[in-house]
Amino acid sequence: EVQLVESGGGLVQPGGSLRLSCAASGFTFSNYWMTWVRQAPGKGLEWVTNIKQDESERYYVDSVKGRFTISRDNAKNSLYLQMNSLRVEDTAVYFCARMNPSCTNGICYFTPFNGMDVWGQGTTVTVSS
Amino acid sequence: EIVLTQSPGTLSLSPGERATLSCRASQSVSSTYLAWYQQKPGQAPRLLIYGASSRATGIPDRFSGSGSGTDFTLTISRLEPEDFAVYYCQQYDRSLWTFGQGTKVEI
Repeated sequence: EVQLVESGGGLVQPGGSLRLSCAASGFTFSNYWMTWVRQAPGKGLEWVTNIKQDESERYYVDSVKGRFTISRDNAKNSLYLQMNSLRVEDTAVYFCARMNPSCTNGICYFTPFNGMDVWGQGTTVTVSS
Repeated sequence: EIVLTQSPGTLSLSPGERATLSCRASQSVSSTYLAWYQQKPGQAPRLLIYGASSRATGIPDRFSGSGSGTDFTLTISRLEPEDFAVYYCQQYDRSLWTFGQGTKVEI
């Protein structure tokens, strides 16, 4: 079964740090771009960051640049999000997701722009004093 | 930055009716880079449509996507009880993704 399982969320004070993990199973993790998306309580979805298969490209939404770092360990089938200098407005459920490949006639291209086809259940981060 | 505006904010319909959801972009978006998601309370989003009109794996054919340029539409031909949820459009531009604010489809 294709699956993503997040962990590492919790309560942290403003200015603190937290590291989220996402364990992948049921597919060849190293083939895929991966991403983090968050959702503040009662709000919509916000894309946070993307990472290429070999970590050679990483992109961030402006609001987290310089504070958050995405990384991955393909040998461990794991995705990470290191969050530093946390703010109250970072409070959200954080989802990891797999980028949907583009497949034609059995050939797949593992691109970052075809949507997000597999999602974890999310982990909750609360930033509060 | 491209901003996506979804309308209406809430759509009140009955099972069996047709739902038409709109997503308008502040600048032209490549159809290749436009996706739609469904989200139910307490659940992760589910990919419905990518490339503006391609259904994701396992998505019923009552869901269809169309549009180009700045105007995109998600249509649910006949609403089933399980279709009542929030729907988001999403676009990819210059290596960044953005979501619309969502449309709630309610009974």
